[in-house]
Amino acid sequence: EDQVTQSPEALRLQEGESSSLNCSYTVSGLRGLFWYRQDPGKGPEFLFTLYSAGEEKEKERLKATLTKKESFLHITAPKPEDSATYLCAVDAGGTSYGKLTFGQGTILTVHP
Amino acid sequence: SAVISQKPSRDICQRGTSLTIQCQVDSQVTMMFWYRQQPGQSLTLIATANQGSEATYESGFVIDKFPISRPNLTFSTLTVSNMSPEDSSIYLCSVGQNEKLFFGSGTQLSVL
Repeated sequence: EDQVTQSPEALRLQEGESSSLNCSYTVSGLRGLFWYRQDPGKGPEFLFTLYSAGEEKEKERLKATLTKKESFLHITAPKPEDSATYLCAVDAGGTSYGKLTFGQGTILTVHP
Repeated sequence: SAVISQKPSRDICQRGTSLTIQCQVDSQVTMMFWYRQQPGQSLTLIATANQGSEATYESGFVIDKFPISRPNLTFSTLTVSNMSPEDSSIYLCSVGQNEKLFFGSGTQLSVL
């Protein structure tokens, strides 16, 4: 059974204090690993897809990396507007790429 | 990316009634999915909405409880039938495009 575990469950940072979120996964065959941002009362917003170990992607203050067992979302010099829940999900293959297994998420709070 | 509109955005329903949620996409998409996000939990795939054929349900979800329609490539509905308080969740429509999965803003359902 595919499993995704995110840590920590919650993270509180001061503005400008860089940190990382972790996503550990167990799948039979990884087709893609996804990162999403979810604000309260809204649907998840797509951030990144990573396909193979060693791959990295960046967007503004966020950088996602992937190894064979885990992914990290690095947040550099965060701002209060980065506060959200960050979700990690894996696509373990099959006939359709919409069948994602999600982790529980990390609630990030950035204080000014 | 596709623009996904869901209606209603929230509703409060009585036990034993049914609610139909609509999902409209601004472009034709092959893959449409329905996810559920229970309070404090992550997203779980309910079913894949197939155009022109019956939906494909995930383990633990059945057609009698969650009937789905997909009359064309831009529209789908999910009905939550014979509701109980355990059905209180956020229901999310999602579409696959360019090997990414995009989400609507969700329908927050509370069952009394």
